[in-house]
Amino acid sequence: DAGVIQSPRHEVTEMGQEVTLRCKPISGHDYLFWYRQTMMRGLELLIYFNNNVPIDDSGMPEDRFSAKMPNASFSTLKIQPSEPRDSAVYFCASSLSQGGGYTFGSGTRLTVV
Amino acid sequence: GENVEQHPSTLSVQEGDSAVIKCTYSDSASNYFPWYKQELGKRPQLIIDIRSNVGEKKDQRIAVTLNKTAKHFSLHITETQPEDSAVYFCAAPHWAGGSYIPTFGRGTSLIVHP
Repeated sequence: DAGVIQSPRHEVTEMGQEVTLRCKPISGHDYLFWYRQTMMRGLELLIYFNNNVPIDDSGMPEDRFSAKMPNASFSTLKIQPSEPRDSAVYFCASSLSQGGGYTFGSGTRLTVV
Repeated sequence: GENVEQHPSTLSVQEGDSAVIKCTYSDSASNYFPWYKQELGKRPQLIIDIRSNVGEKKDQRIAVTLNKTAKHFSLHITETQPEDSAVYFCAAPHWAGGSYIPTFGRGTSLIVHP
């Protein structure tokens, strides 16, 4: 298995633009997570899905953030409009079960200027 | 929700020394405790984990100990090497939306000097 695949690896965009981050989880993993990592706040859980259904989005900062999982092999995290404070590394992770370890993707480094 | 505290935030050791990182958690129902290693510019990777029915687990130079009564668990690295330099994260599960989801500590930056 190729692991969790994220794209793009780097994204630089201007404030106000829409940004879409993509993730392909490990086949067979029922749980998919989106995290944001910054120096100030560490690893923050934004949202997670179980069997493609969003379960807890209480970590999503505000309405500018949205996430979807149309099928078991694909998820997107969208920011519209983007702001400089959204600059961070965004990780997608998947897990076989709720009580197991995660496999993280390589992350997307987002810079909003 | 779960409150996970990790100490120290930075740890500097000489090659060959041991390193210990400690985490405390608040939810007594927590039963799975993983540790992740994140090298600079890379993804966090699971290096070892422990479940609540076990007090200690070892894997070569790394070990994890768990004290459920005191609600803390620790990562021990023996005979440290420069390639052990990284940020280490602990995690403990909390109940969120019908599942147990890990809450991560703030991380410990381990620096091993050759």
